[in-house]
Amino acid sequence: AQSVTQLDSQVPVFEEAPVELRCNYSSSVSVYLFWYVQYPNQGLQLLLKYLSGSTLVKGINGFEAEFNKSQTSFHLRKPSVHISDTAEYFCAVSALNSGGSNYKLTFGKGTLLTVNP
Amino acid sequence: NAGVTQTPKFQVLKTGQSMTLQCAQDMNHNSMYWYRQDPGMGLRLIYYSASEGTTDKGEVPNGYNVSRLNKREFSLRLESAAPSQTSVYFCASRTGTGEFYEQYFGPGTRLTVT
Repeated sequence: AQSVTQLDSQVPVFEEAPVELRCNYSSSVSVYLFWYVQYPNQGLQLLLKYLSGSTLVKGINGFEAEFNKSQTSFHLRKPSVHISDTAEYFCAVSALNSGGSNYKLTFGKGTLLTVNP
Repeated sequence: NAGVTQTPKFQVLKTGQSMTLQCAQDMNHNSMYWYRQDPGMGLRLIYYSASEGTTDKGEVPNGYNVSRLNKREFSLRLESAAPSQTSVYFCASRTGTGEFYEQYFGPGTRLTVT
């Protein structure tokens, strides 16, 4: 079984400051990793994903994340945030089952990013 | 191309009432999922359907049933609603494998059980 820990439930920052949202995972098999964003009263939108290859993944809205296998982490970063980035961010993991096709997602509990003027 | 649609958007039930949440996708995806979202808990998988004709339990299936009506539609039924089922429910469908893997989410159904 896999699990995801988002280390901060809330992260307040000022506009134009850099931000890092932390995510650690555990799994006994290889994984896919995702970051989703949820704006107030909306569904989830994919920000970026790591499936294989380069460990630095770039996503939408200027976000990027780095996969670190030795530290089992997938932290999300943005060098300069905007007010419009205020939202809840979810890290998720999907274990690769050899021969299987379930691809179930396990989510972290979320990090609320609040960008203040 | 509407993606994943869910009905209704909002619902209030009394304890013991039943209802069915509807989900449909027009992306020809094989796999579909139902999640619930509660404050501070993230999203938890209730049931999923890897392909038409199959369904399996997720992390929190108690009190729910599902039907994969056809490739497009995957419904979630609450037979006897309880206040603990007050939540926001999301349906999702999945495309492909490998580099094409992604889950697409619907807008959600906000359910209150009194």
